[in-house]
Amino acid sequence: GENVEQHPSTLSVQEGDSAVIKCTYSDSASNYFPWYKQELGKRPQLIIDIRSNVGEKKDQRIAVTLNKTAKHFSLHITETQPEDSAVYFCAASVYNQGGKLIFGQGTELSVKP
Amino acid sequence: EADIYQTPRYLVIGTGKKITLECSQTMGHDKMYWYQQDPGMELHLIHYSYGVNSTEKGDLSSESTVSRIRTEHFPLTLESARPSHTSQYLCASSEGDRRQETQYFGPGTRLLVL
Repeated sequence: GENVEQHPSTLSVQEGDSAVIKCTYSDSASNYFPWYKQELGKRPQLIIDIRSNVGEKKDQRIAVTLNKTAKHFSLHITETQPEDSAVYFCAASVYNQGGKLIFGQGTELSVKP
Repeated sequence: EADIYQTPRYLVIGTGKKITLECSQTMGHDKMYWYQQDPGMELHLIHYSYGVNSTEKGDLSSESTVSRIRTEHFPLTLESARPSHTSQYLCASSEGDRRQETQYFGPGTRLLVL
């Protein structure tokens, strides 16, 4: 079955710097890759996603890149702000397996003012 | 407003008690899921459903059971709670269309078994 590895487990940056979180997946049939942000005590919320027919997607300060050959995808946050501090989860999904999401282990991002 | 609702939000219960965690969604979604998550840690899928009368076990073995009698309702039951069941339980739903696999999460139920 699918396995998703996420790195780093913790990341500390200064406000205004960029943050990059990387994930690798094992199943080459995976074709949907969402990223979720979970603030302390809150529910996970989708912040951006990418499908396998696209190499990069941007939404304001957030971007995701996908390398299907290497089977890895990354979340890029530019101009980080203290409110970006949260745990971020990547996930992978395969259509013909009913859309189940396999999550990475999570990255705790801390943005210091 | 379309949303996913979970009750109770917090539950403290003694060992051996039977509990049911409620999950309802007004999103009009076909697929529903239950995840177990220790605070800030990885989400583990324990049950999912593609529609009414459809239930499947997830990747993490769980002693809980689920039912899906109505589209909007997906309760999770523990027949005999144990301290090892202490965790947060998150319910989620998705449209079910193969191009719309985005999952939306409920606020979660934090369970403490003494």
